[in-house]
Amino acid sequence: GQQLNQSPQSMFIQEGEDVSMNCTSSSIFNTWLWYKQDPGEGPVLLIALYKAGELTSNGRLTAQFGITRKDSFLNISASIPSDVGIYFCAGRSGGGTSYGKLTFGQGTILTVHP
Amino acid sequence: EAGVAQSPRYKIIEKRQSVAFWCNPISGHATLYWYQQILGQGPKLLIQFQNNGVVDDSQLPKDRFSAERLKGVDSTLKIQPAKLEDSAVYLCASSFGTSSEQYFGPGTRLTVT
Repeated sequence: GQQLNQSPQSMFIQEGEDVSMNCTSSSIFNTWLWYKQDPGEGPVLLIALYKAGELTSNGRLTAQFGITRKDSFLNISASIPSDVGIYFCAGRSGGGTSYGKLTFGQGTILTVHP
Repeated sequence: EAGVAQSPRYKIIEKRQSVAFWCNPISGHATLYWYQQILGQGPKLLIQFQNNGVVDDSQLPKDRFSAERLKGVDSTLKIQPAKLEDSAVYLCASSFGTSSEQYFGPGTRLTVT
């Protein structure tokens, strides 16, 4: 089946620093999504990317859909303590019975020191 | 707009017992998903419904897991009998359609002892 490799597994940064994480896949995806999950909660959608090469921002967050359609990255600028959480990438392939199915990465645990 | 509701939030059972989880999706969302999230991993899709029909249940362990969405709105996921390895968070998500973005509920944390 499809697998996503997300890195790094964890990051410890100082408040105000920039953060970068990425996801690579063995398969092509039509959509890349980035979610954040806080303890005891479900994942919350941060950014959705629909086209190869697309660069999208949401406040201090910027994400890109790789040209090969097999990778994506997420940047967080000027981190703040509330950025703490687990960030997941997810890819969605199209067509057939698996349409809509998301494949998730293993997550990046972000810790921000004040 | 109300989000995806799930209950219970926590459940502790012994192995070989049965358990059921309930999900109420966002109003108007035709597609409903159940995911299993084991500690330290990303969510893994168990089953996907479009209205009250199953679209994908290829990763559902059908010998012990079952799910239904009888009226195309609420859904229940059942495990019978439970095993230790079923300890996980069970997440429900819904979307307007199969190509629309998914919104997740808070999950049910299951511990099997």
